[in-house]
Amino acid sequence: DGGITQSPKYLFRKEGQNVTLSCEQNLNHDAMYWYRQDPGQGLRLIYYSQIVNDFQKGDIAEGYSVSREKKESFPLTVTSAQKNPTAFYLCASSSDRAVRRGAFFGQGTRLTVV
Amino acid sequence: GQQLNQSPQSMFIQEGEDVSMNCTSSSIFNTWLWYKQDPGEGPVLLIALYKAGELTSNGRLTAQFGITRKDSFLNISASIPSDVGIYFCAGRPNSGGSNYKLTFGKGTLLTVNP
Repeated sequence: DGGITQSPKYLFRKEGQNVTLSCEQNLNHDAMYWYRQDPGQGLRLIYYSQIVNDFQKGDIAEGYSVSREKKESFPLTVTSAQKNPTAFYLCASSSDRAVRRGAFFGQGTRLTVV
Repeated sequence: GQQLNQSPQSMFIQEGEDVSMNCTSSSIFNTWLWYKQDPGEGPVLLIALYKAGELTSNGRLTAQFGITRKDSFLNISASIPSDVGIYFCAGRPNSGGSNYKLTFGKGTLLTVNP
């Protein structure tokens, strides 16, 4: 079945360490996104990519980095520069031809930094 | 970035009651989307709206794209316990720039008492 897979579901890291969250999709979607969710804050866009080897900053990109070397994959690195990294991270994708249909989400990764 | 005002922030209702929530924006959107998020999961698309005045139903859910293109509402009729979750509105702006970016409201937390 087609879908978006985020791994791992739960992730614990020590403060000061970089950590990379995985996102893979087999929907053949062109665009991929990373959102951060905090209680009562809704979804805030970190980075998005419309095409391979290209990506743009969202509203809260500071302290994060991404790459888009393959159409299927859009990993997110939470760097030590991110001041409050503990959050629920959601990856999403959308079709270029059906962009008006909205984005499809993965099941999320809950990152806890201690 | 652009912001959506979603209300109410939370609702606590009895099973069988109808529910209404809405989103407003200071700018025009050309697409409105409504998502539901179950605890610990990614949001799932419920309804997509593409034209001002459009009224669309999905089972017990009904959503409308406001005439001014700056608002949308979602109604749930005869609520059941599995309606529990966070409901998000999302909009795609009408202005130039990326056609891929979605702006999300902060969500409405719905609790249904059996």
